[in-house]
Amino acid sequence: DAKTTQPPSMDCAEGRAANLPCNHSTISGNEYVYWYRQIHSQGPQYIIHGLKNNETNEMASLIITEDRKSSTLILPHATLRDTAVYYCIVRVARNNYGQNFVFGPGTRLSVLP
Amino acid sequence: NAGVTQTPKFRVLKTGQSMTLLCAQDMNHEYMYWYRQDPGMGLRLIHYSVGEGTTAKGEVPDGYNVSRLKKQNFLLGLESAAPSQTSVYFCASSRVGYEQYFGPGTRLTVT
Repeated sequence: DAKTTQPPSMDCAEGRAANLPCNHSTISGNEYVYWYRQIHSQGPQYIIHGLKNNETNEMASLIITEDRKSSTLILPHATLRDTAVYYCIVRVARNNYGQNFVFGPGTRLSVLP
Repeated sequence: NAGVTQTPKFRVLKTGQSMTLLCAQDMNHEYMYWYRQDPGMGLRLIHYSVGEGTTAKGEVPDGYNVSRLKKQNFLLGLESAAPSQTSVYFCASSRVGYEQYFGPGTRLTVT
């Protein structure tokens, strides 16, 4: 699975959009981009994933560049409860070997009042 | 629908003691995983299972054993606990190849 690079920390004002970048320059054609977050001491929470098209759900939007070498997770109206560590993970989906998600250090997002 | 649950939530062991962590899921997921997370670090995979009766080693399997006798349960055992095993342990489950759903974690301290 391709490795990812994320900034260690970011701040965002409450009510504003939080844009979290992720670089994955060695991504392969069959690898998806997944985003998880971990709110203090809790288990990681799935947010969204995508292959090459932009994706949106009730939590966030995922923008993937045309060359797929980077992506951005967008929280449209950040709240204090969005303060968490956000993990960008690249892996092959629907493989049959139960491969894990490799969680790196992630980006610590602080939403400020 | 409780999702993924873990028992116990907290535990303190003395060096050399043994214990078993229980993970249960009610989503009929095929795959289950055990991770550990040390302070300031990401999660590291210990063992995983792709189905009832099957287990496989992850990134950091030494000192741990697992069993998956029932589809809904995945047990993590520490035969002889060491201080280096002080950590937060997370269990997860998923359908084949889909996103993983995590439990709330077990905080283990080995003195």
